[in-house]
Amino acid sequence: GAVVSQHPSWVICKSGTSVKIECRSLDFQATTMFWYRQFPKQSLMLMATSNEGSKATYEQGVEKDKFLINHASLTLSTLTVTSAHPEDSSFYICSAREGAGGELFFGEGSRLTVL
Amino acid sequence: GDSVTQMEGPVTLSEEACLTINCTYTATGYPSLFWYVQYPGEGLQLLLKATKADDKGSNKGFEATYRKETTSFHLEKGSVQVSDSAVYFCALLGNQFYFGTGTSLTVIP
Repeated sequence: GAVVSQHPSWVICKSGTSVKIECRSLDFQATTMFWYRQFPKQSLMLMATSNEGSKATYEQGVEKDKFLINHASLTLSTLTVTSAHPEDSSFYICSAREGAGGELFFGEGSRLTVL
Repeated sequence: GDSVTQMEGPVTLSEEACLTINCTYTATGYPSLFWYVQYPGEGLQLLLKATKADDKGSNKGFEATYRKETTSFHLEKGSVQVSDSAVYFCALLGNQFYFGTGTSLTVIP
């Protein structure tokens, strides 16, 4: 099946720094990618939807200036957490699908810890 | 709007016990329904899916039937194994994916 890869899997950073997380579709072209945030023992919270070549659509309550999303190609989307703070520590998961009704494939997730 | 309601956990079972995790949904139209599994420290993996009423999805001994009359998609397995310990998410695809809150399953030897 299709594979979606995230990098890095783990990242620890100091408060105030920015962190970039990559999401790649390895064997298909992802017209749409999604970024989720997962809190401990909770479900996934959709942060934003990104379509290749256009601006991301953010869910209500998600700061677009803090969570910068770029989907520059059909196989790569990036999430940059700017000026990270300890409350941004979380598990971030991306997913991708090939077409409008295509199956959703998930990355392995990236655990961010902000000290 | 669309939503998914999932049985709360955590669930602890002995090996070879029967498993049922309840999932009901609210949706306009005819969504596709999914069960995803998340093993410790990993991302989500698709476990099974059903795209229309009365369809039965199955994989790795797990089954779920799309019941339109009861708006349900309960996950079942007749005999669980220790390796089934994970968090299970019910989801529906309408205009976007909606996930349940997840049910943690621990299977003890």
